[in-house]
Amino acid sequence: EAQVTQNPRYLITVTGKKLTVTCSQNMNHEYMSWYRQDPGLGLRQIYYSMNVEVTDKGDVPEGYKVSRKEKRNFPLILESPSPNQTSLYFCASSLSLGAGRGTQYFGPGTRLLVL
Amino acid sequence: GIQVEQSPPDLILQEGANSTLRCNFSDSVNNLQWFHQNPWGQLINLFYIPSGTKQNGRLSATTVATERYSLLYISSSQTTDSGVYFCAVGGSSNTGKLIFGQGTTLQVKP
Repeated sequence: EAQVTQNPRYLITVTGKKLTVTCSQNMNHEYMSWYRQDPGLGLRQIYYSMNVEVTDKGDVPEGYKVSRKEKRNFPLILESPSPNQTSLYFCASSLSLGAGRGTQYFGPGTRLLVL
Repeated sequence: GIQVEQSPPDLILQEGANSTLRCNFSDSVNNLQWFHQNPWGQLINLFYIPSGTKQNGRLSATTVATERYSLLYISSSQTTDSGVYFCAVGGSSNTGKLIFGQGTTLQVKP
């Protein structure tokens, strides 16, 4: 089954304790992206990757890191989480961004609480 | 950067009614998508439609790129249509950035 998976789905952590949220897709997609969703602010893009070893900042990259060493995986790293990173996080992927190939498929979301 | 505005912010319908959701954007785009977020939080792509018209069952969408807006039509609404509808756009420079609107929250009553 074609899908985007995220782990963990729920996470409670404390300020400053490094964590990684994994994202994996099995559709051989070139493009992958991370978003955060907050009440009243909608969905905002954190980082995206056009292909392996190619990553770039979205609108809210501060406090996050990403890597794209393999096509299928795009982990999101919070090296020193703070309470303002409490949010619902989504990973998404698409074949590319080109015409007819840009449909984005979302993972189920990761709900993070930083105390 | 590109600004995206969706209207109305909230919509309450009786089952069986039709509705039109609007997405205005401030600059040329080469990527425009409509998504539905169901009450359980799952995001589902409805349409990839940077221009033209598409239909999928009771849903259809039209994007008039030259006038910088897109419309999502829902006909004969059902309670399962409830949730939040998002429009997201990417600029013509194809940088990979995708900007989401604030969404339209739809409630369909039985």
